Amino acid sequence: DQQVKQNSPSLSVQEGRISILNCDYTNSMFDYFLWYKKYPAEGPTFLISISSIKDKNEDGRFTVFLNKSAKHLSLHIVPSQPGDSAVYFCAASGAGTGFQKLVFGTGTRLLVSP
Amino acid sequence: ETGVTQTPRHLVMGMTNKKSLKCEQHLGHNAMYWYKQSAKKPLELMFVYSLEERVENNSVPSRFSPECPNSSHLFLHLHTLQPEDSALYLCASSPRPLPMNTEAFFGQGTRLTVV
Repeated sequence: DQQVKQNSPSLSVQEGRISILNCDYTNSMFDYFLWYKKYPAEGPTFLISISSIKDKNEDGRFTVFLNKSAKHLSLHIVPSQPGDSAVYFCAASGAGTGFQKLVFGTGTRLLVSP
Repeated sequence: ETGVTQTPRHLVMGMTNKKSLKCEQHLGHNAMYWYKQSAKKPLELMFVYSLEERVENNSVPSRFSPECPNSSHLFLHLHTLQPEDSALYLCASSPRPLPMNTEAFFGQGTRLTVV
């Protein structure tokens, strides 16, 4: 049973437009969410995160929105650039005193065309 | 050298072979991880080490054997693997494992093919 779901395996966007990548989760105990970006032949790299006490976090062209009631988060990239073409993974972790592992989604491949 | 380094980048091994994957981090982190990424599946956590002690083992078959001799190095020893074990194996590190409210830094991965 996948606790973190990225239902769109791919997304194509034109350069300069907005890219919106979506992620849904089922575990209400998750309280920290991250986005990772992965280029071919490289490991994932951290992009941006958000704690459950916030509903928005912005870093340059990247903004993550969190809707706890809907158990949904999204990553907005604006304006999109060809160099943003990569696979984007959503990940979540929970609170608690014990080890809290990162649970990943299956990823969304973003293609930004010039 | 920076970040998390994994060797080899590619590995082809037979089902009767024994091989090891190596990971090294130069970030001064206290936690290291092995993840497996199979095609069209999420990254799956295999093992977690905190200060060289294993704190998590996600029901991984015994044909995968991790070793963490110090906080900078992590190995994954492989023996009698199956073709379905073919995947991308990613090593990661983070400043601390508890709680996991921090980002992990990943290596480039080892693409393993079992024939």
